[in-house]
Amino acid sequence: DAKTTQPTSMDCAEGRAANLPCNHSTISGNEYVYWYRQIHSQGPQYIIHGLKNNETNEMASLIITEDRKSSTLILPHATLRDTAVYYCIVRNAGGTSYGKLTFGQGTILTVHP
Amino acid sequence: DGGITQSPKYLFRKEGQNVTLSCEQNLNHDAMYWYRQDPGQGLRLIYYSQIVNDFQKGDIAEGYSVSREKKESFPLTVTSAQKNPTAFYLCASSPGTSGRSSYNEQFFGPGTRLTVL
Repeated sequence: DAKTTQPTSMDCAEGRAANLPCNHSTISGNEYVYWYRQIHSQGPQYIIHGLKNNETNEMASLIITEDRKSSTLILPHATLRDTAVYYCIVRNAGGTSYGKLTFGQGTILTVHP
Repeated sequence: DGGITQSPKYLFRKEGQNVTLSCEQNLNHDAMYWYRQDPGQGLRLIYYSQIVNDFQKGDIAEGYSVSREKKESFPLTVTSAQKNPTAFYLCASSPGTSGRSSYNEQFFGPGTRLTVL
């Protein structure tokens, strides 16, 4: 699986958009980009995933560059409850070990009043 | 409500004792997973199961054992052979359609924090 690089931490003011970057320069053609987040002492929560087109759901938007070597997770109006560790994961959809996700250290997002 | 339950939330055991962590899901998911998380670290995969009566070792399976006798249950036993068992243990499940991107949409339980004294 392709390796991802994320900033260790980021801050965001409440009500503003939080833009979390992720580099995945070695991503291959059949690998998707997944985002999860983990609020302190809870299990991770799936946010969104995409292959090459931009995606949006009720939680966030995912912008993937045309060369697919990087992506940005956007929380359009961050709230204090969005304070969490955000994980960017690159994974293919199938294969013999499908479903096996590798969580790195992620980005600690702190939303402040 | 549909979801994944793990019990208990906190568990204390003496060194040298085996302990079994419970994980149950009513999402009708084929695949289930066990992860371990240490303070300030990401998750590491212990074992996973794609279907009933089948499971595979993850990255750190030594000192752990699992069973998958029922689709909805995937208990994890932390044996005395596990050298550093104190950690936060997370169970997850995902849909079972191979090759679909949704297979990687894993749903996590609330976790069990195990402390070995």
